[in-house]
Amino acid sequence: AQSVTQPDARVTVSEGASLQLRCKYSYFGTPYLFWYVQYPRQGLQLLLKYYPGDPVVQGVNGFEAEFSKSNSSFHLRKASVHWSDWAVYFCAVNPLMLSGSFNKLTFGAGTRLAVCP
Amino acid sequence: EAAVTQSPRSKVAVTGGKVTLSCHQTNNHDYMYWYRQDTGHGLRLIHYSYVADSTEKGDIPDGYKASRPSQENFSLILELASLSQTAVYFCASSGRENYAEQFFGPGTRLTVL
Repeated sequence: AQSVTQPDARVTVSEGASLQLRCKYSYFGTPYLFWYVQYPRQGLQLLLKYYPGDPVVQGVNGFEAEFSKSNSSFHLRKASVHWSDWAVYFCAVNPLMLSGSFNKLTFGAGTRLAVCP
Repeated sequence: EAAVTQSPRSKVAVTGGKVTLSCHQTNNHDYMYWYRQDTGHGLRLIHYSYVADSTEKGDIPDGYKASRPSQENFSLILELASLSQTAVYFCASSGRENYAEQFFGPGTRLTVL
């Protein structure tokens, strides 16, 4: 079964600084990978997704993530953090979707991002 | 605008009481899900459904029932609420072709006393 580890429960950065949130996954095959964001008192929203192909994927609001098969990682990055990025970020993995099959989406525990002025 | 709505947004229940959480989606999606979120944990799948009148167990179904009377509606039922079921509950929906791309409701904060 697949699993996701987000080693940093909380990250604090200054506004304007760069950001990397780490995600490690465990799955023997080809995964689909996702980053979701949860703003205060809201549900989760899809930030970006990786389907097999280009390892660097672009998301909304200047976020990007890079897939590394050798490191089993899918780290999220942003060049310049804004105060509005204050949220909880979840990494998720889903096995390669085969026609007619269903595999659940597995979430990491989340990383809480705080942005200082 | 396509959306997933949940009701109630918050609820206080007594131990042993019955609780029903409701979810409605206008995305025309086949799949619907109920997740539970606890502090310090990711989302855990309770039940899901891929067609009306049918539900499937997720990872933590014990103590929960689900009902999908129509494509748009999906309910989570706690027949005998317990303290350990205090959590935030999220409903989500997704299309059949890209079911991992899920659209979430705003959540229901349930407190069992």
